[in-house]
Amino acid sequence: ELKVEQNPLFLSMQEGKNYTIYCNYSTTSDRLYWYRQDPGKSLESLFVLLSNGAVKQEGRLMASLDTKARLSTLHITAAVHDLSATYFCAVDMRAGNMLTFGGGTRLMVKP
Amino acid sequence: DAGVTQSPTHLIKTRGQQVTLRCSPKSGHDTVSWYQQALGQGPQFIFQYYEEEERQRGNFPDRFSGHQFPNYSSELNVNALLLGDSALYLCASRGPTKNYEQYFGPGTRLTVT
Repeated sequence: ELKVEQNPLFLSMQEGKNYTIYCNYSTTSDRLYWYRQDPGKSLESLFVLLSNGAVKQEGRLMASLDTKARLSTLHITAAVHDLSATYFCAVDMRAGNMLTFGGGTRLMVKP
Repeated sequence: DAGVTQSPTHLIKTRGQQVTLRCSPKSGHDTVSWYQQALGQGPQFIFQYYEEEERQRGNFPDRFSGHQFPNYSSELNVNALLLGDSALYLCASRGPTKNYEQYFGPGTRLTVT
């Protein structure tokens, strides 16, 4: 059974600081997604990582995928309050047929 | 271009009742998946429909059933509701693209009392 683990589960950081969220998964996969969720809202797609070594960047967020280590990272650069949300990684084992999500990382950026 | 839509937005039901949730996929998408998200947790896959048939199912009891219509819209039915069924139910759709990305709807918040 595929397991997806994120850490930390909760992250409180100051504006302007850098930090990394980690996503480990237990079974080989070459397709990983990052989503953002605001309280009471649905999931917003951030990144789609399709191959080993893939790196995607959008604004202050950068995601990478190491399929050999079964690890993806979401790096936050110079955090701002607007980035406060819960971030989920999800692993796709069956070509778009089923996503397995991590438990989420709740990020709080303090002014 | 409308994204994924779901109805209703919120729903309150009593234990033992039955509920039907509805989803319309994004234009051009033919595959619909349903996820349950309990408070404070990540979404869990319930099942996926393609060509009006259930193609994949997660670890959910038979009380959870679904349907897909010829226009690709979908329904999720839950029978004999339990308190533990209270959650945000998310519908996701995808089309025949190489990256298999799924687009999520706004969700239906179900409360069982």
